[in-house]
Amino acid sequence: GDSVTQMEGPVTLSEEAFLTINCTYTATGYPSLFWYVQYPGEGLQLLLKATKADDKGSNKGFEATYRKETTSFHLEKGSVQVSDSAVYFCALRMGNSGYSTLTFGKGTMLLVSP
Amino acid sequence: GAVVSQHPSWVICKSGTSVKIECRSLDFQATTMFWYRQFPKQSLMLMATSNEGSKATYEQGVEKDKFLINHASLTLSTLTVTSAHPEDSSFYICSAAGGQYSNQPQHFGDGTRLSIL
Repeated sequence: GDSVTQMEGPVTLSEEAFLTINCTYTATGYPSLFWYVQYPGEGLQLLLKATKADDKGSNKGFEATYRKETTSFHLEKGSVQVSDSAVYFCALRMGNSGYSTLTFGKGTMLLVSP
Repeated sequence: GAVVSQHPSWVICKSGTSVKIECRSLDFQATTMFWYRQFPKQSLMLMATSNEGSKATYEQGVEKDKFLINHASLTLSTLTVTSAHPEDSSFYICSAAGGQYSNQPQHFGDGTRLSIL
């Protein structure tokens, strides 16, 4: 079945450091890919998405590029802030409908210190 | 943007009681709602998918008699944990899709932390 693999955390960085969180996927077909962020005690918020190969999703300084050849969707940010501390989930969805189920990775905790 | 409200945000109750969690779509008609369970430091596990006016579809291993899901209107779905026990303690999150947001990813509520004593 479809699956998402993320690097294990926690990822610990100092403020203004460069961030990469790796995400690879396995799917039959061509999924849409997402990054969600979960702040402590809260639900999930969509951070960015890409729906086809070579698409780049970006939001709030975060970026991720849909790489079909490596089946990857790594999350990057050039300069992290303390407020970016959260758990980040990579996810895939087959099809373009909101009714389709999401398959999540296990999440990667990011801790940013001042 | 789409808003999904979940209530309560936190509940503590005694073992053996039943607990109801509400999930509401505030500005759109949610044809489909999803219920997830999240254990500490783990990912979200899809429990069930509910379509308005029909029975929920449960994922393998989820007890439908334990976790009752009702989706009687286009703006409200409820999850009732029946005869809750400490092992049911978890973070429960709903999401919704439909209406003018049917082509967008699911929109998530803020979750309900359930603690059974």
